[in-house]
Amino acid sequence: AAGVIQSPRHLIKEKRETATLKCYPIPRHDTVYWYQQGPGQDPQFLISFYEKMQSDKGSIPDRFSAQQFSDYHSELNMSSLELGDSALYFCASSLETGSGGETQYFGPGTRLLVL
Amino acid sequence: AQKVTQAQTEISVVEKEDVTLDCVYETRDTTYYLFWYKQPPSGELVFLIRRNSFDEQNEISGRYSWNFQKSTSSFNFTITASQVVDSAVYFCALTLYNNNDMRFGAGTRLTVKP
Repeated sequence: AAGVIQSPRHLIKEKRETATLKCYPIPRHDTVYWYQQGPGQDPQFLISFYEKMQSDKGSIPDRFSAQQFSDYHSELNMSSLELGDSALYFCASSLETGSGGETQYFGPGTRLLVL
Repeated sequence: AQKVTQAQTEISVVEKEDVTLDCVYETRDTTYYLFWYKQPPSGELVFLIRRNSFDEQNEISGRYSWNFQKSTSSFNFTITASQVVDSAVYFCALTLYNNNDMRFGAGTRLTVKP
C-alpha cells in the first residue's frame, strides 16, 4: 500500500538559510500534519491542514509556515534557520471521516541538520 | 490539557520474554483517542493501534495485546514472546475529538537481546 512520501529525506543547511520540506499524503487522504522530533524526544505537533485550510496549530515557530495545495500535498517552509531547528520532521496524513481522532499515518521523516 | 506519561524510559529483556509497556494519560474530555506507535532504529513511526474512549475492550493482534482501563487512565501494551525485531522506541499518544494535536508520551526504548 502507498505510504506518505517526504522529500528530501536528509537536508543540511547553514544558520540563517531557508529550507522547504515536502509531503505527499497517502492517496485520498485529505488531512496532513507536521511534527518536529528533536534528538531523544517525542514528536511535537506543529500544524495541520484539512482540505487546504489550516485546521490546528501547535508549537510552530513564526519563522515557519506551511500550506496544503490543491493536490493535497503540503510544504513546510522554514526561514532564518537556527541550530535548534535540527531535528527529524515528520509529515502524517489521515482521512477525515467526521468521527474524530483519525489515525495519523506517518511518513519516513526528513532529517534536517543546521550547521 | 491532555498529557501522556510513559514512566519506563528504557526496558531490556531477553528474547522470548514477555514485556509490558505502561502508558498513563490525563484528559478532562470524555471523548478521546489513544494510539501506540513503534519507532524502529530506522526512524519511521509505525502505527500499531487506535482506541477510542468508549471502547474498553482489550485487543490482541498476534504477539501484541493492549489493555485499556479507564478506571486507572491506562493503556498498556504487552508483547508476548519478544523478538529482537521488536527492539524500538514505543510511543503512546492521545488526541481529543476534533483536535489534531496528537500528544505523545516520552517513549519507552525497548531492547530485546538474543
